[in-house]
This record gives sequence, structure tokens and C-alpha cells, in this order.
Amino acid sequence: AQSVSQHNHHVILSEAASLELGCNYSYGGTVNLFWYVQYPGQHLQLLLKYFSGDPLVKGIKGFEAEFIKSKFSFNLRKPSVQWSDTAEYFCAVNARNNAGNMLTFGGGTRLMVKP
Amino acid sequence: NAGVTQTPKFQVLKTGQSMTLQCAQDMNHNSMYWYRQDPGMGLRLIYYSASEGTTDKGEVPNGYNVSRLNKREFSLRLESAAPSQTSVYFCASSEWGKAEKLFFGSGTQLSVL
Repeated sequence: AQSVSQHNHHVILSEAASLELGCNYSYGGTVNLFWYVQYPGQHLQLLLKYFSGDPLVKGIKGFEAEFIKSKFSFNLRKPSVQWSDTAEYFCAVNARNNAGNMLTFGGGTRLMVKP
Repeated sequence: NAGVTQTPKFQVLKTGQSMTLQCAQDMNHNSMYWYRQDPGMGLRLIYYSASEGTTDKGEVPNGYNVSRLNKREFSLRLESAAPSQTSVYFCASSEWGKAEKLFFGSGTQLSVL
């Protein structure tokens, strides 16, 4: 069964600091990878996704993520965070041969950006 | 264009009480899902319905039942609520095979005392 690990549960940064959130997954086959963001009081929204091609994926709001197949990782990055990036971030994986079309989510990372 | 609508937004139950969480989508999606979100554990799939007329267990189905009433509606029932079911519940929908287009509802915060 596939699983997703997010190593940082809480991250506190000052505005303009750089961000990197770790995500590792366990699955031997071909996967689709996602990052979702949940702003306070809101539902999950897709931030970016990787299906194939260029392993460096650019998403909304200046976020990007890099798929490193050899490390089973899909880390999220942003060069300069803003106060409005305060949210919880979830990494998710969907195995391509999974007939159930289900996403497996990581435990989430709460990011707080201090103004 | 409402997307995925969940009711209620908040609910407090006593142990042993029953209740049904309602979910409806207006995007003509085939597939619908129920997740629960707990601190440090992310979202875990409770049940899903790949298409109208079918339902299947997800990762954490115990203590829950579901009904795919029609293509639009997918309800989650707690027959005898337990404190361990205190959580935030999210309904979601998508076209079958389109995981990248998973749309979430706004969530139901449930507390079981």
C-alpha cells in the first residue's frame, strides 16, 4: 500500500524567508503527486501536481515542487514566503494503477509566517 | 455554481447518538468520497463511491456507513457515535480517473462528547 510522510509538522518562518517542505512516499510503481493547501477555515485547494515530464513543477502563488524519483520525494519550495502563505500543506500521492482513483495524504505541515 | 456542498458545518453529539452528514455536488461527477482529517494524520479516506450505485470501503471505514442516493448525493452515517470519531469530515468529488480534479467541500466539524 502507498504511504506519504511529511516530516515537518509545524514550521514557523518570517516573511521573505525561503520555504522547503519535505514529502516522501512509498510506492514502487508510477505515481501522480500533488500538493494541496488549506487556508484557515477553508477547504483544501490544489497547489500543484506532477504527472510526468519535467520533474520541476510550478504551481500557483510562486510555489514549486521537485520530483526526485530516486529519493521517492516531492518537496515543496517557495523562495520568499508571505504572511498570506500561513496555512496547512498536504502532500498526496495517487498510484496510477490504482483502480480506486484514491489519493493518499500525508499528515500535513502547518506553516506559520510571521509578519 | 456551488461545487461540493456539505451540511451541517458543525455538530456536537453525545456518545451513542446517530447522525448523517450530507454531501451534494453539482458538477455531474461520477465519483464521490468521504475523508476525515485529524491533526498530524492528514486526510484519511473513509468510504468512496466510484459511480452511482456503488460504494467501497476506504482506509478507515469502521463505525461508518454511506449511501450514494443518486449521482449528486453521497451521505455518511454514524450509527453510534464515539469520541474517536471527533474529527473534521470532508466530502469530495471528481470524474473517475481524474484525481487531479478532486473538489472538496468546506468540511463538517464534528465533536463527540
